[in-house]
Amino acid sequence: DTGVSQDPRHKITKRGQNVTFRCDPISEHNRLYWYRQTLGQGPEFLTYFQNEAQLEKSRLLSDRFSAERPKGSFSTLEIQRTEQGDSAMYLCASSFKRESYEQYFGPGTRLTVT
Amino acid sequence: GDSVTQMEGPVTLSEEAFLTINCTYTATGYPSLFWYVQYPGEGLQLLLKATKADDKGSNKGFEATYRKETTSFHLEKGSVQVSDSAVYFCALSFPFSGSARQLTFGSGTQLTVLP
Repeated sequence: DTGVSQDPRHKITKRGQNVTFRCDPISEHNRLYWYRQTLGQGPEFLTYFQNEAQLEKSRLLSDRFSAERPKGSFSTLEIQRTEQGDSAMYLCASSFKRESYEQYFGPGTRLTVT
Repeated sequence: GDSVTQMEGPVTLSEEAFLTINCTYTATGYPSLFWYVQYPGEGLQLLLKATKADDKGSNKGFEATYRKETTSFHLEKGSVQVSDSAVYFCALSFPFSGSARQLTFGSGTQLTVLP
């Protein structure tokens, strides 16, 4: 397995547009996380899935954000009506009980809202 | 809430110098502690971890000891190399059954090692 992958790696969009990001976790990893990282800061937790169930959401995840993980495989994060403050790196991570829940991170999707 | 505070960077060292990056945390209970490293253009990678007080995590010549009395987890390396240039993040999580176990990160410390 090649690790966690994310697509696209970079996205430039205009304010008000909708964007969707995809994360493919390591196969057999049943836990999946989304984090957001702004310049000069550490990643901040957004939301968590166990299999297909979204079990936890941060208060950072406003109503404009929605995440899904159909069939417990890949996940998508959609941002509606983007704002300039949404510009950040969006990171995905996955983990598995047998590996002591160590989180493996993808390379991230860098979003720029103009 | 839970938080992690790291020494501010950037840190610039000469090759073979001694490295210390300070990390302290605030948490209710006893979290697991981690150091992650982010090389340019790559994803975050786990460098080392400690799950209980007085545990020492080590990897690739880096070490950190979980100090409950000072709520600290400082990262050290005796002799840095140019290839260690990266951003280092201290983080914590709570390994309680049923929880999300999400990571809470510090703001990161940029390390540059000069030849």
